[in-house]
Amino acid sequence: SQQGEEDPQALSIQEGENATMNCSYKTSINNLQWYRQNSGRGLVHLILIRSNEREKHSGRLRVTLDTSKKSSSLLITASRAADTASYFCATVPLAGSGAGSYQLTFGKGTKLSVIP
Amino acid sequence: DSGVTQTPKHLITATGQRVTLRCSPRSGDLSVYWYQQSLDQGLQFLIQYYNGEERAKGNILERFSAQQFPDLHSELNLSSLELGDSALYFCASSVLQVPSTDTQYFGPGTRLTVL
Repeated sequence: SQQGEEDPQALSIQEGENATMNCSYKTSINNLQWYRQNSGRGLVHLILIRSNEREKHSGRLRVTLDTSKKSSSLLITASRAADTASYFCATVPLAGSGAGSYQLTFGKGTKLSVIP
Repeated sequence: DSGVTQTPKHLITATGQRVTLRCSPRSGDLSVYWYQQSLDQGLQFLIQYYNGEERAKGNILERFSAQQFPDLHSELNLSSLELGDSALYFCASSVLQVPSTDTQYFGPGTRLTVL
Protein backbone atom coordinates (compact mmCIF):
# COMPACT_ATOMS: atom_id res chain seq x y z
CA SER A 1 0.00 0.00 0.00
CA GLN A 2 1.18 3.53 -0.70
CA GLN A 3 2.28 5.44 2.37
CA GLY A 4 3.29 8.66 0.74
CA GLU A 5 1.59 11.06 -1.57
CA GLU A 6 3.68 13.38 -3.69
CA ASP A 7 2.43 16.73 -4.77
CA PRO A 8 2.24 17.83 -7.50
CA GLN A 9 1.81 14.75 -9.68
CA ALA A 10 3.50 16.57 -12.54
CA LEU A 11 5.63 19.70 -12.72
CA SER A 12 6.99 21.51 -15.75
CA ILE A 13 9.58 24.27 -15.37
CA GLN A 14 12.19 26.14 -17.40
CA GLU A 15 15.84 25.31 -17.09
CA GLY A 16 17.44 27.38 -14.35
CA GLU A 17 14.29 27.60 -12.24
CA ASN A 18 13.86 25.86 -8.91
CA ALA A 19 11.62 22.82 -8.55
CA THR A 20 9.82 21.96 -5.33
CA MET A 21 8.11 18.65 -4.71
CA ASN A 22 6.19 17.72 -1.61
CA CYS A 23 5.52 14.42 0.06
CA SER A 24 3.09 13.49 2.81
CA TYR A 25 3.05 10.22 4.69
CA LYS A 26 0.81 8.54 7.21
CA THR A 27 2.75 6.72 9.93
CA SER A 28 5.73 7.45 12.17
CA ILE A 29 8.99 6.93 10.37
CA ASN A 30 12.62 6.00 10.90
CA ASN A 31 13.75 7.96 7.91
CA LEU A 32 12.53 9.37 4.63
CA GLN A 33 14.38 9.00 1.35
CA TRP A 34 14.07 10.56 -2.07
CA TYR A 35 14.74 8.65 -5.25
CA ARG A 36 14.89 9.63 -8.90
CA GLN A 37 13.77 7.44 -11.77
CA ASN A 38 14.51 8.22 -15.39
CA SER A 39 11.86 6.96 -17.78
CA GLY A 40 11.25 3.40 -16.59
CA ARG A 41 14.82 2.77 -15.52
CA GLY A 42 16.22 1.95 -12.10
CA LEU A 43 15.79 4.15 -9.06
CA VAL A 44 18.69 6.33 -8.04
CA HIS A 45 19.03 7.23 -4.38
CA LEU A 46 19.25 10.99 -3.88
CA ILE A 47 19.14 11.73 -0.19
CA LEU A 48 18.12 10.29 3.17
CA ILE A 49 16.85 12.35 6.07
CA ARG A 50 16.44 10.83 9.51
CA SER A 51 13.36 11.40 11.62
CA ASN A 52 15.32 13.62 14.05
CA GLU A 53 16.64 15.87 11.27
CA ARG A 54 14.79 18.87 9.89
CA GLU A 55 16.82 19.81 6.85
CA LYS A 56 19.53 18.26 4.72
CA HIS A 57 21.50 19.42 1.71
CA SER A 58 23.28 17.56 -1.05
CA GLY A 59 24.62 19.61 -3.94
CA ARG A 60 21.62 21.30 -5.59
CA LEU A 61 19.19 19.31 -3.46
CA ARG A 62 17.59 20.49 -0.26
CA VAL A 63 15.25 18.27 1.71
CA THR A 64 13.13 19.29 4.66
CA LEU A 65 11.22 17.09 7.03
CA ASP A 66 8.37 18.06 9.33
CA THR A 67 7.43 15.04 11.41
CA SER A 68 4.63 16.90 13.17
CA LYS A 69 2.92 17.40 9.82
CA LYS A 70 4.18 14.12 8.41
CA SER A 71 5.52 15.87 5.36
CA SER A 72 8.73 16.45 3.45
CA SER A 73 9.80 18.60 0.56
CA LEU A 74 12.51 18.24 -2.05
CA LEU A 75 13.91 21.38 -3.61
CA ILE A 76 16.10 21.19 -6.71
CA THR A 77 17.80 24.50 -7.36
CA ALA A 78 18.97 25.79 -10.75
CA SER A 79 17.32 22.89 -12.56
CA ARG A 80 18.81 21.35 -15.68
CA ALA A 81 17.28 19.39 -18.53
CA ALA A 82 19.03 16.32 -17.13
CA ASP A 83 16.89 16.63 -13.98
CA THR A 84 13.87 15.55 -16.02
CA ALA A 85 12.67 12.40 -14.27
CA SER A 86 10.14 11.07 -11.79
CA TYR A 87 10.90 11.73 -8.14
CA PHE A 88 9.66 9.46 -5.37
CA CYS A 89 9.67 9.81 -1.65
CA ALA A 90 9.95 6.61 0.34
CA THR A 91 9.64 6.02 4.05
CA VAL A 92 10.93 3.41 6.44
CA PRO A 93 8.33 2.95 9.18
CA LEU A 94 9.35 3.28 12.81
CA ALA A 95 7.88 -0.05 13.86
CA GLY A 96 8.21 -1.91 10.58
CA SER A 97 6.28 -5.04 9.80
CA GLY A 98 8.54 -7.12 11.99
CA ALA A 99 11.88 -7.01 13.76
CA GLY A 100 14.62 -5.99 11.38
CA SER A 101 12.32 -5.17 8.48
CA TYR A 102 13.15 -1.92 6.77
CA GLN A 103 11.27 -2.07 3.54
CA LEU A 104 10.53 1.17 1.75
CA THR A 105 6.99 2.41 1.23
CA PHE A 106 6.84 4.63 -1.83
CA GLY A 107 4.61 7.46 -2.89
CA LYS A 108 3.25 7.72 -6.41
CA GLY A 109 5.89 10.17 -7.53
CA THR A 110 6.17 13.58 -9.13
CA LYS A 111 7.00 13.71 -12.81
CA LEU A 112 9.34 16.64 -13.38
CA SER A 113 9.96 18.06 -16.83
CA VAL A 114 12.69 20.66 -17.22
CA ILE A 115 12.43 22.52 -20.50
CA PRO A 116 15.72 23.70 -22.01
CA ASP B 1 25.78 2.31 -11.57
CA SER B 2 24.45 1.19 -8.17
CA GLY B 3 26.44 -2.04 -8.09
CA VAL B 4 23.26 -4.12 -8.01
CA THR B 5 22.80 -6.30 -11.08
CA GLN B 6 19.64 -7.87 -12.38
CA THR B 7 19.06 -10.33 -15.18
CA PRO B 8 17.41 -10.49 -17.57
CA LYS B 9 16.62 -6.89 -18.52
CA HIS B 10 13.55 -7.88 -20.46
CA LEU B 11 11.36 -10.94 -20.36
CA ILE B 12 8.40 -11.69 -22.57
CA THR B 13 6.34 -14.75 -21.79
CA ALA B 14 2.83 -16.15 -22.00
CA THR B 15 0.12 -16.51 -19.41
CA GLY B 16 0.44 -19.60 -17.26
CA GLN B 17 4.22 -19.74 -17.59
CA ARG B 18 6.89 -19.53 -14.89
CA VAL B 19 9.92 -17.25 -14.89
CA THR B 20 12.90 -16.61 -12.65
CA LEU B 21 14.43 -13.21 -12.08
CA ARG B 22 17.93 -12.96 -10.72
CA CYS B 23 19.62 -10.33 -8.59
CA SER B 24 23.18 -9.88 -7.36
CA PRO B 25 23.51 -7.38 -4.51
CA ARG B 26 26.29 -4.85 -4.03
CA SER B 27 29.46 -6.27 -2.60
CA GLY B 28 29.13 -6.42 1.17
CA ASP B 29 25.35 -5.99 1.29
CA LEU B 30 23.58 -8.76 3.16
CA SER B 31 20.00 -7.65 2.66
CA VAL B 32 18.07 -7.99 -0.58
CA TYR B 33 14.66 -6.54 -1.29
CA TRP B 34 12.28 -7.14 -4.20
CA TYR B 35 9.85 -4.50 -5.42
CA GLN B 36 7.25 -4.46 -8.17
CA GLN B 37 6.41 -1.34 -10.14
CA SER B 38 3.20 -1.29 -12.14
CA LEU B 39 1.12 1.53 -13.58
CA ASP B 40 -1.88 0.89 -11.34
CA GLN B 41 -0.16 -0.12 -8.08
CA GLY B 42 2.98 1.98 -8.24
CA LEU B 43 6.10 0.74 -6.42
CA GLN B 44 5.31 -1.99 -3.95
CA PHE B 45 7.52 -4.01 -1.64
CA LEU B 46 7.34 -7.74 -2.20
CA ILE B 47 9.83 -9.50 0.04
CA GLN B 48 13.12 -9.08 1.91
CA TYR B 49 15.94 -11.49 2.66
CA TYR B 50 18.83 -11.01 5.01
CA ASN B 51 21.84 -13.27 4.86
CA GLY B 52 19.85 -16.12 3.38
CA GLU B 53 16.79 -15.85 5.59
CA GLU B 54 13.42 -14.34 4.83
CA ARG B 55 13.03 -11.18 6.91
CA ALA B 56 9.76 -9.60 5.77
CA LYS B 57 6.93 -10.09 3.34
CA GLY B 58 4.88 -7.41 1.69
CA ASN B 59 2.27 -7.61 -1.03
CA ILE B 60 3.64 -10.78 -2.55
CA LEU B 61 1.24 -13.17 -4.22
CA GLU B 62 1.26 -16.84 -3.28
CA ARG B 63 2.24 -17.61 -6.89
CA PHE B 64 5.49 -15.73 -6.28
CA SER B 65 8.40 -16.95 -4.22
CA ALA B 66 11.97 -15.93 -3.62
CA GLN B 67 15.16 -17.14 -2.05
CA GLN B 68 18.61 -15.88 -1.23
CA PHE B 69 21.53 -18.20 -1.79
CA PRO B 70 24.76 -18.62 0.25
CA ASP B 71 26.62 -16.33 -2.17
CA LEU B 72 23.89 -13.73 -1.37
CA HIS B 73 22.40 -13.52 -4.83
CA SER B 74 18.64 -13.77 -4.90
CA GLU B 75 16.03 -15.14 -7.24
CA LEU B 76 12.39 -14.21 -7.56
CA ASN B 77 10.19 -16.93 -9.04
CA LEU B 78 6.89 -16.00 -10.62
CA SER B 79 4.56 -18.81 -11.61
CA SER B 80 1.15 -19.23 -13.25
CA LEU B 81 1.69 -15.83 -14.77
CA GLU B 82 -1.25 -13.57 -15.49
CA LEU B 83 -1.54 -10.48 -17.66
CA GLY B 84 -1.62 -8.35 -14.53
CA ASP B 85 1.84 -9.54 -13.52
CA SER B 86 3.36 -7.46 -16.30
CA ALA B 87 5.51 -4.92 -14.50
CA LEU B 88 9.01 -3.75 -13.69
CA TYR B 89 10.60 -5.85 -10.98
CA PHE B 90 13.38 -4.25 -8.99
CA CYS B 91 15.89 -5.71 -6.64
CA ALA B 92 17.57 -3.52 -4.05
CA SER B 93 20.29 -4.24 -1.55
CA SER B 94 21.57 -2.64 1.61
CA VAL B 95 24.01 -3.24 4.43
CA LEU B 96 21.21 -3.08 7.02
CA GLN B 97 23.18 -2.03 10.06
CA VAL B 98 21.31 0.96 11.44
CA PRO B 99 17.71 1.46 10.28
CA SER B 100 17.79 5.22 10.59
CA THR B 101 20.53 5.52 8.00
CA ASP B 102 20.12 2.38 5.93
CA THR B 103 20.14 3.16 2.22
CA GLN B 104 18.77 0.76 -0.37
CA TYR B 105 20.49 0.70 -3.74
CA PHE B 106 18.37 -0.40 -6.67
CA GLY B 107 19.24 -2.48 -9.67
CA PRO B 108 18.17 -1.54 -13.22
CA GLY B 109 15.11 -3.77 -13.05
CA THR B 110 13.63 -6.57 -15.11
CA ARG B 111 10.73 -5.62 -17.34
CA LEU B 112 8.29 -8.52 -17.49
CA THR B 113 5.66 -8.63 -20.19
CA VAL B 114 3.03 -11.34 -20.01
CA LEU B 115 1.11 -11.88 -23.26
